[in-house]
Amino acid sequence: DVKVTQSSRYLVKRTGEKVFLECVQDMDHENMFWYRQDPGLGLRLIYFSYDVKMKEKGDIPEGYSVSREKKERFSLILESASTNQTSMYLCATNMRYEQYFGPGTRLTVT
Amino acid sequence: AQSVAQPEDQVNVAEGNPLTVKCTYSVSGNPYLFWYVQYPNRGLQFLLKYITGDNLVKGSYGFEAEFNKSQTSFHLKKPSALVSDSALYFCAVTPRGQAGTALIFGKGTTLSVSS
Repeated sequence: DVKVTQSSRYLVKRTGEKVFLECVQDMDHENMFWYRQDPGLGLRLIYFSYDVKMKEKGDIPEGYSVSREKKERFSLILESASTNQTSMYLCATNMRYEQYFGPGTRLTVT
Repeated sequence: AQSVAQPEDQVNVAEGNPLTVKCTYSVSGNPYLFWYVQYPNRGLQFLLKYITGDNLVKGSYGFEAEFNKSQTSFHLKKPSALVSDSALYFCAVTPRGQAGTALIFGKGTTLSVSS
């Protein structure tokens, strides 16, 4: 089974803090994705990566950056957290046609 | 712009009755189509997909979906609902030929099955 893990299930940060969300996959997949999930908006793509050190902006990249130094790890960085970034963050990887999701990190910015 | 529509925010059904969760899409060409389910405080779980072939696709937990090209729809169905089916359901698409790219998701439909 494909396993995608995220470093934290719940996270509370203060406005202005730099926040790191980590995602690790164990299947040597090339493609990895970060989505944000908000009620009534579904999932929106923040960033994705096709390979190590490669990244592409998704639909809502503002306020975020990413890092992919190793194939198995894809990090989402909130440079200066704001309250409007309070959300559920989901990491995914894909194999052929299917995407596999991590359990999600529920981030609250106060 | 490419998009997925789930016209119902919530679907309520009694246990044992058939259920349908609707999905329509607007994507250029013939897309790959997916359904995912999310239980409370969990990540998304893959239910089923349509890639090619038979328009009726069977998936996990007794769910099935029918691809209708003329109506650009991919409705999720189950003949007999269970209380444990209560969850948030997402329809998603990706353009054909872009299997490795990100999915375009609908906004989700909450299914509530009453006993």
